[in-house]
Amino acid sequence: EAGVAQSPRYKIIEKRQSVAFWCNPISGHATLYWYQQILGQGPKLLIQFQNNGVVDDSQLPKDRFSAERLKGVDSTLKIQPAKLEDSAVYLCASSSASSSYNEQFFGPGTRLTVL
Amino acid sequence: RKEVEQDPGPFNVPEGATVAFNCTYSNSASQSFFWYRQDCRKEPKLLMSVYSSGNEDGRFTAQLNRASQYISLLIRDSKLSDSATYLCVVNAQTGGTSYGKLTFGQGTILTVHP
Repeated sequence: EAGVAQSPRYKIIEKRQSVAFWCNPISGHATLYWYQQILGQGPKLLIQFQNNGVVDDSQLPKDRFSAERLKGVDSTLKIQPAKLEDSAVYLCASSSASSSYNEQFFGPGTRLTVL
Repeated sequence: RKEVEQDPGPFNVPEGATVAFNCTYSNSASQSFFWYRQDCRKEPKLLMSVYSSGNEDGRFTAQLNRASQYISLLIRDSKLSDSATYLCVVNAQTGGTSYGKLTFGQGTILTVHP
């Protein structure tokens, strides 16, 4: 079974530039998550989708971050404009809605460096 | 207070040692609990779920104390390959929905040396 795919794996940009990340979840997984993981910390949930609807975006900095999941499959996360403190690994995860223990499967992440 | 707090670590132990990690959580409505493992520069992966009765998977034992809001992970007979960051994770339903929200601790770094 193919895992969660993310691209790009690495991205270096200057502050105030824009950047977009892409995620393709495991086939059939209805729930998709975007996390931000700053060095030395655990992942922090940014946004959670159920199919193409948003379940939780309470920790998404909406003045600069946006995410969409058209057609309930792939998702993109955008940052515009980027700040130095956005340097982090952005992890996408998916889970099956039928999983009572909500195990999440993570992609390899996109490592963003903002200069 | 952080929602999920872990031992700061890092832990540096010899092969064969027994090591224990502790974790506390603040949301009494939390419903399910996990330990995830994250290797250096890799994504987190589920190590094991944590049940109220305690559960064991080979050399790994997880315990949950709901009254104290405390979770633990015990690793016996440590191997070099156990070197990783161990993340304590708590799941609580998001308000008004049936979907869970995972909250991760900061992680505890374990290094097992020869």
